[in-house]
Amino acid sequence: GAVVSQHPSRVICKSGTSVKIECRSLDFQATTMFWYRQFPKKSLMLMATSNEGSKATYEQGVEKDKFLINHASLTLSTLTVTSAHPEDSSFYICSAVVAGVGETQYFGPGTRLLVL
Amino acid sequence: SQQGEEDPQALSIQEGENATMNCSYKTSINNLQWYRQNSGRGLVHLILIRSNEREKHSGRLRVTLDTSKKSSSLLITASRAADTASYFCATDVRDSNYQLIWGAGTKLIIKP
Repeated sequence: GAVVSQHPSRVICKSGTSVKIECRSLDFQATTMFWYRQFPKKSLMLMATSNEGSKATYEQGVEKDKFLINHASLTLSTLTVTSAHPEDSSFYICSAVVAGVGETQYFGPGTRLLVL
Repeated sequence: SQQGEEDPQALSIQEGENATMNCSYKTSINNLQWYRQNSGRGLVHLILIRSNEREKHSGRLRVTLDTSKKSSSLLITASRAADTASYFCATDVRDSNYQLIWGAGTKLIIKP
């Protein structure tokens, strides 16, 4: 149980285009999902907290107009990297918390984004 | 933001040996968790220990927590090549929506 999927697993795009990454909880409802960015050989950097039905809470230094987050249902959150640039290339990981249970985060497999 | 400091940053041992990783944190916590990440993959939850617990076991894993020293350790006994991964500790954030603060991680390599 508590499986989280992420799609796509890998994406290459041209500079200036937008990329949407989906995070789905497959067998549970997630009122809260988290979006992280991870640089090579580094720890997770929290970008934003996504709550179903409300606006995402962004961490300091993360541009909310650049990284659009939508949490439209209890099983789906999306991260859209708008007007992507090479410096946005990174590994993006989402996680979800089981509604009403909390504490443990269940992670998706991550999305490798390369912006040319 | 990161509050955890993990040491060592990297650890290389022979298969069959025990591996110990440490984590220190700065603020009061309700719980501390350990996660594992295989290269280029998502993280997998290993174990959660609450602030009123001192030790917890799960299979070959043993976690200790010393709240007076604000530190935790993860011991993997009888290591296997498949244990090769990065290991992260994470602590909860009071009054947050299940947010976690992550340590820098320990890269563990098990040599066959």
